[in-house]
Amino acid sequence: AIQMTQSPSSLSASVGDRVTITCRASQDIRNDLGWYQQKPGTAPKLLIFAASSLQSGVPSRFSGSGSGTDFTLTISSLQPEDFATYYCLQDYNYPFTFGGGTKVEIK
Amino acid sequence: EVQLVESGGGLVQPGGSLRLSCAASGFTFSNNWMSWFRQAPGKGLEWVANIKQDGSDKPYLDSVKGRFTISRDNTKNSLYLQMNSLRGEDTAVYYCARLVGTRSRDAFDIWGQGTMVTVSS
Repeated sequence: AIQMTQSPSSLSASVGDRVTITCRASQDIRNDLGWYQQKPGTAPKLLIFAASSLQSGVPSRFSGSGSGTDFTLTISSLQPEDFATYYCLQDYNYPFTFGGGTKVEIK
Repeated sequence: EVQLVESGGGLVQPGGSLRLSCAASGFTFSNNWMSWFRQAPGKGLEWVANIKQDGSDKPYLDSVKGRFTISRDNTKNSLYLQMNSLRGEDTAVYYCARLVGTRSRDAFDIWGQGTMVTVSS
């Protein structure tokens, strides 16, 4: 199975900060990667698909980049509603696998 | 409104069975691959199974293969997960999700609210 290594596992940041989260795949997954946001007690929400395509309705402060094995989710200016846990997911092949998650907390 | 609503979770003893349902509305259910995911308490997300539009392809997570069966009824706009021989490690919130897009431009864009499965004696 493809392993997705996500870092950091947690971070503290202030409103207005630029935040970067990375995911590294154990093999080439082309651009078959999505980013999801999850708030406590709720279902995941799709932010980015195909590594860099912004899902409709998601604020433009979210962006994704990368291909092959290295991927990045960037929040250009952190907003109060962005405090959540973020996961990457590869759907290049089965079993689909998630990164371990990054919890973004208020500094 | 595009929506997925899960049901069927609950408390079950180890070795027992449970059937989860996911009711879809607001879109043409038969057009999409569908999936089940789960999240153990305090843990990360885990993919469980997929099912193709016509039910002809059903890949599974290795740890559930032979115990779980994903199915769908396109006439009822419903997705199911039959879970047998349940173990403690199957305790989790189970989510259904819709897969949209084409190869290399696909994603899980709609998720249900989740249903809790607890396996304990």
